[in-house]
Amino acid sequence: DQQVKQNSPSLSVQEGRISILNCDYTNSMFDYFLWYKKYPAEGPTFLISISSIKDKNEDGRFTVFLNKSAKHLSLHIVPSQPGDSAVYFCAASAVGNQFYFGTGTSLTVIP
Amino acid sequence: DAGVIQSPRHEVTEMGQEVTLRCKPISGHDYLFWYRQTMMRGLELLIYFNNNVPIDDSGMPEDRFSAKMPNASFSTLKIQPSEPRDSAVYFCASSFSGQGAPGDTQYFGPGTRLTVL
Repeated sequence: DQQVKQNSPSLSVQEGRISILNCDYTNSMFDYFLWYKKYPAEGPTFLISISSIKDKNEDGRFTVFLNKSAKHLSLHIVPSQPGDSAVYFCAASAVGNQFYFGTGTSLTVIP
Repeated sequence: DAGVIQSPRHEVTEMGQEVTLRCKPISGHDYLFWYRQTMMRGLELLIYFNNNVPIDDSGMPEDRFSAKMPNASFSTLKIQPSEPRDSAVYFCASSFSGQGAPGDTQYFGPGTRLTVL
């Protein structure tokens, strides 16, 4: 059973606008969350993370929001750029345990 | 560092054949992970090693799958016999301080795209 879900397989956004990628999880023990970015024919690369003691973490154009009561995670990209076009995976873990990944959301930023 | 190295990048084989995927982790990383990516299930953890010792292989789908890590710089994932439903992209990843540790992250190789006909 998928403990981490990304219900939108794809998303298209105009360049310069905001991209919002969503992720839901079921395990209330998860306390560390990450986003990975994957380009075609490459492995995923780490993008940004957040621990459960925070509700927001920002790194440049990328911000991750965590809503623990809703078991919901989102990644905001502002402004979106064509180079952001990739597949984004969210992942979650409880300390000392494995990461669980979602199925990914393919983001296309239209110039 | 060259990053995590995987070979081959592409493998096409026929049903029933043995397939061996190879991985060289980043030097100094104590943890090595094998994942499989499918459209339906995303990235699934198959097995992971700590200091060359298998820690959790509960994700290995069947006895047809086996993994070894004979030394700190090399690991293999073997499928014998292979079946069409094994077709997927297989990723190897490594990390320094282990799973789930705040601040830790995994570094992925480029993957091996396996097609079983």
